[in-house]
Amino acid sequence: NTKITQSPRYLILGRANKSLECEQHLGHNAMYWYKQSAEKPPELMFLYNLKQLIRNETVPSRFIPECPDSSKLLLHISAVDPEDSAVYFCASSHGTDANSDYTFGSGTRLLVI
Amino acid sequence: AQSVTQPDARVTVSEGASLQLRCKYSSSGTPYLFWYVQYPRQGLQLLLKYYSGDPVVQGVNGFEAEFSKSNSSFHLRKASVHWSDSAVYFCVLRSNTGNYKYVFGAGTRLKVIA
Repeated sequence: NTKITQSPRYLILGRANKSLECEQHLGHNAMYWYKQSAEKPPELMFLYNLKQLIRNETVPSRFIPECPDSSKLLLHISAVDPEDSAVYFCASSHGTDANSDYTFGSGTRLLVI
Repeated sequence: AQSVTQPDARVTVSEGASLQLRCKYSSSGTPYLFWYVQYPRQGLQLLLKYYSGDPVVQGVNGFEAEFSKSNSSFHLRKASVHWSDSAVYFCVLRSNTGNYKYVFGAGTRLKVIA
């Protein structure tokens, strides 16, 4: 899926700081971070629309999102915890109205050791 | 409250057999419904979606789904499955009454055997 790219694909960390990156080439205005733990559906972490954070689900403060422009989304993680091991998906949509479909990236698989 | 229930966590079918994956939803407003598929170690891909109109919607790779307001259901079907259909399938609800968040079902893991 080259329409929405995520890096890195895989990440193995001890208690360290790292940033996940996402870029979409679809001209979408809304971008999302989702966390998918093993054998579970994705859960929304953050939602940006037109670069503004408009939904901040209850996530640990060690996760800090950043949206430097409408096509890019970052997720800064500090002092990761083993419970953070999961796949982190970026998604985007044209808007936040109900009939705007999401396009998902391939995910960053984070393993905390 | 909005919710999506996929009652079957795992489904195994033989190649060439027909398939139905069940989805029940609860929504206070008009539901916008989707089926997504997740192949191993990949992201989620949209199979099909229902907004309004004909309750039977066609998707990619021969999949279709039927919306039923009376049964609050949106079951996914395929006439003849292929081994490459093995994946996890998510039923997703998006309400149009102010909360635009995607509400995911727990997913159904489909295994197609020879």
